[in-house]
Amino acid sequence: GAVVSQHPSRVICKSGTSVKIECRSLDFQATTMFWYRQFPKQSLMLMATSNEGSKATYEQGVEKDKFLINHASLTLSTLTVTSAHPEDSSFYICSAPGGSTDTQYFGPGTRLTVL
Amino acid sequence: GENVEQHPSTLSVQEGDSAVIKCTYSDSASNYFPWYKQELGKGPQLIIDIRSNVGEKKDQRIAVTLNKTAKHFSLHITETQPEDSAVYFCAASWGSASKIIFGSGTRLSIRP
Repeated sequence: GAVVSQHPSRVICKSGTSVKIECRSLDFQATTMFWYRQFPKQSLMLMATSNEGSKATYEQGVEKDKFLINHASLTLSTLTVTSAHPEDSSFYICSAPGGSTDTQYFGPGTRLTVL
Repeated sequence: GENVEQHPSTLSVQEGDSAVIKCTYSDSASNYFPWYKQELGKGPQLIIDIRSNVGEKKDQRIAVTLNKTAKHFSLHITETQPEDSAVYFCAASWGSASKIIFGSGTRLSIRP
C-alpha cells in the first residue's frame, strides 16, 4: 500500500525555538495532506488541511501564525511550530489520501518535546 | 461540524472471545467510516472501512456494521488474540479523501 513518512520521528527543543516537521508521500502524489495533534491518551485532533500550491485551512482554535504549513510540492508538506512552548509538546501526525480509493494513509508520527 | 462518539473507552476481553466497539456520528452527510488501530508510539493504521452505501463489511476476524438511519457503526473482532491489544479509533468523513474526524478511542486489552 501507499506509504507516508515523517521526519524527524522525535525532536526535543528549547522553549522559544522553532521546529519543522516534514510529511512525505513516498509513492504517490497528494494535493492534500492533513495534520493532526495527539496528546497522551487522547484522540487525534485535526489541526489543518494542507493544500498544494495554496494556503492551508486551519481548524477552529488552531493558530495559523504559530503552526505554519507549507505544501510546496505534490509529495511534501511541512509543519513548523514557531516559538514552541512546553504546552506544544505532543505527537504530531500527518495523513494523505492515496491509491485508487483515496484511502487515507497516516505517517508514523513525530514526538515533539519542548523543554 | 461532525462529532463522533465512541464507547467503551476501555475494553478487556478473554483471548478467543469477541470484542465490540460502538460509535455514533452526528453529520448525516458523512459517508465514509474508517477504523484505525494504533499501537504505542506509532501512527494509526487502517484496519477496515465502510462506505455509506454498504451495511456490513467483513475481513477475516474483523467486521464493521453501519446503520445510517441511526447514525451508528460498530467494529466487531472475533477470536481475539494478544496482538489485537491496542487503541482503536472509529472515524467519520465526507469522503475518503476528506478530513477525518476521530472518535475518542477504545483501549482494548486481551487477557491470556
